[in-house]
Amino acid sequence: ETGVTQTPRHLVMGMTNKKSLKCEQHLGHNAMYWYKQSAKKPLELMFVYNFKEQTENNSVPSRFSPECPNSSHLFLHLHTLQPEDSALYLCASSQNPGQPIYDNQPQHFGDGTRLSIL
Amino acid sequence: GEDVEQSLFLSVREGDSSVINCTYTDSSSTYLYWYKQEPGAGLQLLTYIFSNMDMKQDQRLTVLLNKKDKHLSLRIADTQTGDSAIYFCAERGGFGGSQGNLIFGKGTKLSVKP
Repeated sequence: ETGVTQTPRHLVMGMTNKKSLKCEQHLGHNAMYWYKQSAKKPLELMFVYNFKEQTENNSVPSRFSPECPNSSHLFLHLHTLQPEDSALYLCASSQNPGQPIYDNQPQHFGDGTRLSIL
Repeated sequence: GEDVEQSLFLSVREGDSSVINCTYTDSSSTYLYWYKQEPGAGLQLLTYIFSNMDMKQDQRLTVLLNKKDKHLSLRIADTQTGDSAIYFCAERGGFGGSQGNLIFGKGTKLSVKP
């Protein structure tokens, strides 16, 4: 139990579907992250939220739309995805990385959602 | 930009020591981390080291940091079959990167043979 819960664990969807991935953290953190993990590629940071505000969008296509209603919840809304978007999507949380006092605070990861696009 | 490199595979026998190596490019890195990923799971933090240290030991794990060469290693003593997993090296960007964001290597797949 990492304190970061992702649902669903597996998702199969067609290219025209709309679905959402959910992440919830019970660690009292105030920063949350979405990563994409594809085979044979480094972990790719997609989005960063600090205190519910988006602080980083790593040139992610608009078919991925994040939402952070509060510091404990993070969503990734998906629509009109492509086959190359099939991957493991990982959520992580940490204390606010912008404050030096939290410099050594690591990111804690959920178990991910395995997404397959047909 | 920042880059983190790791060899992709390592195979050892049960009971031997494993050494997983990592190199990075950002000389202003503040913290360096080792994460473990088992099949079907997310990344689990194993240990981390502050950039002004050169060694950290935690039970079977020993982290060595050569800041001059920007080289990090993870040694696992008495490797067990349960240690089979993918190990990721990550650096926290300093002034050279987005503050607080982690840059990950591609991961080293450790296979432990009985």
